[in-house]
Amino acid sequence: DAGVIQSPRHEVTEMGQEVTLRCKPISGHNSLFWYRQTMMRGLELLIYFNNNVPIDDSGMPEDRFSAKMPNASFSTLKIQPSEPRDSAVYFCASVNMGQRAGYTFGSGTRLTVV
Amino acid sequence: KQEVTQIPAALSVPEGENLVLNCSFTDSAIYNLQWFRQDPGKGLTSLLLIQSSQREQTSGRLNASLDKSSGRSTLYIAASQPGDSATYLCAVKTNAGKSTFGDGTTLTVKP
Repeated sequence: DAGVIQSPRHEVTEMGQEVTLRCKPISGHNSLFWYRQTMMRGLELLIYFNNNVPIDDSGMPEDRFSAKMPNASFSTLKIQPSEPRDSAVYFCASVNMGQRAGYTFGSGTRLTVV
Repeated sequence: KQEVTQIPAALSVPEGENLVLNCSFTDSAIYNLQWFRQDPGKGLTSLLLIQSSQREQTSGRLNASLDKSSGRSTLYIAASQPGDSATYLCAVKTNAGKSTFGDGTTLTVKP
């Protein structure tokens, strides 16, 4: 398995632009998590899905952030409009809850909003 | 609300030394606990996963223990090497399905 695949690896965008981050979880994993990591706040859980359904989005900072999981093999995290304070590394992780397994993380997307 | 604390925040040791990293959590109703390694600018790599019913897990020079009653886990690294230098994070998964991460311990192993 290629693991959790995130794209792009790096994104530099101007303030006000729309940003879309993508994630392909490991095949067979039924839960997907979006995290954000910054020096100031560490790892923060933004939202997680179970069987493609959003379960907890309480970590989404504001309405500018939205996430979708149209099927078991793809998820997006969208920021519109982007702001400089959104600059961070965004990680996607997946797990098969039923197998009591641990998380597998993607390599992350480093977002810089200028 | 689960809170996870890792002490110390940073640790520097000479090569060859055995060391212990600590992770404490406030809610003992956990599903499992996972230790990760993160190299600068990289993603998280899973090291060890301990289920709530287990007391320890071992992988090579790494040994992780879990004491739910006291809300603590330790990661023991034997015979440390410069390549072990990284940030180590513990993640505690509650029965509700979410994990709470500690802020990590940044380890530097000096040659």
